[in-house]
Amino acid sequence: QSVLTQPPSASGTPGQRVTISCSGSSSNIGSNSVNWYQQLPGTAPKLLIYSNSQRPSGVPDRFSGSKSGTSASLAISGLQSEDEADYYCAAWDDSLNAWVFGGGTKLTVL
Amino acid sequence: DVKLVQSGAEVKKPGESLRISCKGSGYNFNTYWIAWVRQMSGKGLEWMGIIYPGDSDTRYSPSFRGQVTISADKSNSTAYVQWSSLKASDTAMYYCARHSGRWYSSGWADSWGQGTLVTVSS
Repeated sequence: QSVLTQPPSASGTPGQRVTISCSGSSSNIGSNSVNWYQQLPGTAPKLLIYSNSQRPSGVPDRFSGSKSGTSASLAISGLQSEDEADYYCAAWDDSLNAWVFGGGTKLTVL
Repeated sequence: DVKLVQSGAEVKKPGESLRISCKGSGYNFNTYWIAWVRQMSGKGLEWMGIIYPGDSDTRYSPSFRGQVTISADKSNSTAYVQWSSLKASDTAMYYCARHSGRWYSSGWADSWGQGTLVTVSS
């Protein structure tokens, strides 16, 4: 059982907007920034969003992140087939003294 | 450009020892934390621990403390994770990642190695 909770799956059609949630607690998301990673099939994870809502250079602005209280969200607008991947949230946990990941959300583009 | 290149796949027997590596290039290896992340087949990401090569300050996830040893050789810009006695349950893909934070508890993993597949089977 992951410390951060994500829905196991999400889906959308091309062009749609989808959101993926990440729920935590006061010891992780509630007091620290959230990062999001994208893992395309058979590849290493890649940084998608850092510090809750910042996009690294090269990440399309279709991807956006937000945080409120003990939850965070990743939004993908203008969904494309190449967005089909697993998405993970991560945050530092002050109680565990460790980085924790969500269980991952498999995004399917229908 | 920043690159992390990991050692190749390994097949080991239970009880054997193993060390896998992660070599950094394109940046000052000594001044960025390196994290290790496990991914079992079909499962999610698990943070194992993190090391600052500059002074070998190392932190472990409670789940991995005592199970693995993380180290670094700053003269070779290489980080390692090692097992003294492998178990079948150590079978997984292992990733290293450069961490951008000033402290082990901050920042983000901005560059990842390609992964090392470890298979432990009798």
